[in-house]
Amino acid sequence: NAGVTQTPKFQVLKTGQSMTLQCAQDMNHNSMYWYRQDPGMGLRLIYYSASEGTTDKGEVPNGYNVSRLNKREFSLRLESAAPSQTSVYFCASSDPDPDEQYFGPGTRLTVT
Amino acid sequence: AQSVAQPEDQVNVAEGNPLTVKCTYSVSGNPYLFWYVQYPNRGLQFLLKYITGDNLVKGSYGFEAEFNKSQTSFHLKKPSALVSDSALYFCACCTTSGTYKYIFGTGTRLKVLA
Repeated sequence: NAGVTQTPKFQVLKTGQSMTLQCAQDMNHNSMYWYRQDPGMGLRLIYYSASEGTTDKGEVPNGYNVSRLNKREFSLRLESAAPSQTSVYFCASSDPDPDEQYFGPGTRLTVT
Repeated sequence: AQSVAQPEDQVNVAEGNPLTVKCTYSVSGNPYLFWYVQYPNRGLQFLLKYITGDNLVKGSYGFEAEFNKSQTSFHLKKPSALVSDSALYFCACCTTSGTYKYIFGTGTRLKVLA
């Protein structure tokens, strides 16, 4: 089992560019999450998906969109990147919910 | 507003000494409480959780935590620290009555000195 995988590991964007962060899990979990981690701020929830076909906003959804493509995959899209979106992004999954979450290795994104 | 607080940015402890990493919470309803550890350039790894039952919870790598409802705390402890325990520790809380499901503290960096 690979657990939770994320691509890419690193990305540098210019302001205004768009990109999609990919996440997949092979544990047959219903719930999936996207977080961003910034120094001194812990993890903040961007979006989550309680099941295939559903998504909900978290604490900091502005500037992001998500797609729950199927049970395995949950992608995060930045339509027009801004320097304030420079962060480390983590995908996680869990089941049943609420319960411990399994995290991916993260994507380090820099927006210049 | 619901919140999780980790009052210490960093905790230093000598190897072999007991360690405590503090966490307090403020949520409505019955909380589900978690501790995670993060090593450099890695994702978070689950350590332990409190859902219901005994207030003292045992987890991975010899860690334990005590749920104290009256003090709304869930402190992480270990009787004897190892240098390899040095990492970033996050407390998290979850309640089904919130707008979103998981709230993380800001993290505490644990440094175990040889």
